[in-house]
Amino acid sequence: NAGVTQTPKFRVLKTGQSMTLLCAQDMNHEYMYWYRQDPGMGLRLIHYSVGEGTTAKGEVPDGYNVSRLKKQNFLLGLESAAPSQTSVYFCASSYHRTGLNEQYFGPGTRLTVT
Amino acid sequence: AQTVTQSQPEMSVQEAETVTLSCTYDTSESDYYLFWYKQPPSRQMILVIRQEAYKQQNATENRFSVNFQKAAKSFSLKISDSQLGDAAMYFCAYRSNFGNEKLTFGTGTRLTIIP
Repeated sequence: NAGVTQTPKFRVLKTGQSMTLLCAQDMNHEYMYWYRQDPGMGLRLIHYSVGEGTTAKGEVPDGYNVSRLKKQNFLLGLESAAPSQTSVYFCASSYHRTGLNEQYFGPGTRLTVT
Repeated sequence: AQTVTQSQPEMSVQEAETVTLSCTYDTSESDYYLFWYKQPPSRQMILVIRQEAYKQQNATENRFSVNFQKAAKSFSLKISDSQLGDAAMYFCAYRSNFGNEKLTFGTGTRLTIIP
């Protein structure tokens, strides 16, 4: 049981390049989330999914796209990277989105855009 | 919109002593949930403790306990018998119970344990 895994762990991009971050969970969770963490700002929700084939915008969705083609995977895409997207990205998953249900987090991906 | 404030960017405590991390939040809702997450240098976010707003009894998990003051909108974390492994960033988080999907995080408190 690996929990939530993220690929890659580190990445450096040049402005304008594209990339996809992969999140995978083996807990059969319905809900998945992408957050970004910036210094002094805590974590902010980018996009989330309430089930296979569904996605929705979070607090800071601009410049990102997501897809949930399989229940266990949630992809975060940057079509044209900008320096403002330099951040640490966390994926999380949970059984349900409300209540005391815990969100389980992946180890994070550190992305630098130059 | 809800906000979460952690007014202590950094705290330190002697090993085996007790430390309290503060968290306040702003909301107009009456039904919600509060969490404390720990983020060690490995970056992994780990749930420490959670509290339902409509439960008056403070949550406790081994050496970790909270002081939940709903009227004051305060949710502090007390760590007893501090250990070196407790050194980490601690984040307070809020979740509404009204279909709001997100966790709203505070800016974190960096806790240092002094041997």
